[in-house]
Amino acid sequence: QKEVEQNSGPLSVPEGAIASLNCTYSDRGSQSFFWYRQYSGKSPELIMSIYSNGDKEDGRFTAQLNKASQYVSLLIRDSQPSDSATYLCAKNTGNQFYFGTGTSLTVIP
Amino acid sequence: DADVTQTPRNRITKTGKRIMLECSQTKGHDRMYWYRQDPGLGLRLIYYSFDVKDINKGEISDGYSVSRQAQAKFSLSLESAIPNQTALYFCATSDLGGRYSDTQYFGPGTRLTVL
Repeated sequence: QKEVEQNSGPLSVPEGAIASLNCTYSDRGSQSFFWYRQYSGKSPELIMSIYSNGDKEDGRFTAQLNKASQYVSLLIRDSQPSDSATYLCAKNTGNQFYFGTGTSLTVIP
Repeated sequence: DADVTQTPRNRITKTGKRIMLECSQTKGHDRMYWYRQDPGLGLRLIYYSFDVKDINKGEISDGYSVSRQAQAKFSLSLESAIPNQTALYFCATSDLGGRYSDTQYFGPGTRLTVL
């Protein structure tokens, strides 16, 4: 079983819609979870980190964590064409980071 | 100037050659990491270092070695490159301690092709 699993997509949403990205993970001991955005040919950049069960909002982005279900999600409200990228889910277990393979998102103008 | 830099940005080499990828950071972070990224496989950790005297193997260390020359410098070596080491390589840093201590900051990447 992979440490972090994501649906590779592609996911397409119209401009202004809500994009929903999902991620599951193994190891109930994992404490820290992250969403990174990666544009084609560029390095990953952090969007959100979440450590506690529940929701965490930052602007148009909301991260949701459910440790009992081992599930992390990212909602992007009012999606913009500039949000078109690959979104990587990651977790920190012990001293190591594990990344999912990423979900490709396209926002259609 | 970028906080995390990698050199070279692109490299084409032949099977059997020794290659070194370099990473430097001005963020003052103690922790440094090397990842490779392959289509469909995502980012995978090769090695990580929490200070100059601390080196640890990651998920896929076979065929690679590292050197932490200083707090700010962390190099990745391929002793004898092989074609399946063709990938995009990223260096990353994170801080020790503090609220954001496990946020990773990535360099721009090195695209390596082994023929």
